[in-house]
Amino acid sequence: KQEVTQIPAALSVPEGENLVLNCSFTDSAIYNLQWFRQDPGKGLTSLLLIQSSQREQTSGRLNASLDKSSGRSTLYIAASQPGDSATYLCAVRPSTGANNLFFGTGTRLTVIP
Amino acid sequence: EAGVAQSPRYKIIEKRQSVAFWCNPISGHATLYWYQQILGQGPKLLIQFQNNGVVDDSQLPKDRFSAERLKGVDSTLKIQPAKLEDSAVYLCASSFSWSGDSPLHFGNGTRLTVT
Repeated sequence: KQEVTQIPAALSVPEGENLVLNCSFTDSAIYNLQWFRQDPGKGLTSLLLIQSSQREQTSGRLNASLDKSSGRSTLYIAASQPGDSATYLCAVRPSTGANNLFFGTGTRLTVIP
Repeated sequence: EAGVAQSPRYKIIEKRQSVAFWCNPISGHATLYWYQQILGQGPKLLIQFQNNGVVDDSQLPKDRFSAERLKGVDSTLKIQPAKLEDSAVYLCASSFSWSGDSPLHFGNGTRLTVT
């Protein structure tokens, strides 16, 4: 069974810093990996999706990398802003079976002004 | 494009009572999912529908949870009777198709508190 782990569970950084969030998964047979953002009381907003054949994806100040063979992904946030404060979740989609997502437990990010 | 709609936003009930949640997916989306997110954890799939048929309900506690999507559009998730450990956010998501290329779109969820 796929297990997804995110470290750290919580992170506080001063505004303007660059930061890295980590995600690891136990089964490398994935179709793709997705990073989501979740604000308090809200649903999930998709940030970046990396297909299993890709190494990285970029959107604005966000860059996600994928090393499928080692079961790891990172989300890099450049020049952090207070508006980036949220919980960040990674999720993997298995390459076989139902179109489902296995989620990590998330990293709660606080950017201090 | 209208997003995934869920109601109610919040619900507080006592244990052993029953509760129902409603979800209206994005128009034209054939696949619908119900996830349970316990505080401090990632969402966990409860049930997945393809049109009005169940694809995966392996993690649904069937002794107390039920879900239906009778006309292949809206869906309801019911808990009867509720337990304290059912306190969580219940997220509905939809995707255009079964395909792994079809992204999931999430609603804002229903926060359930069981006292």
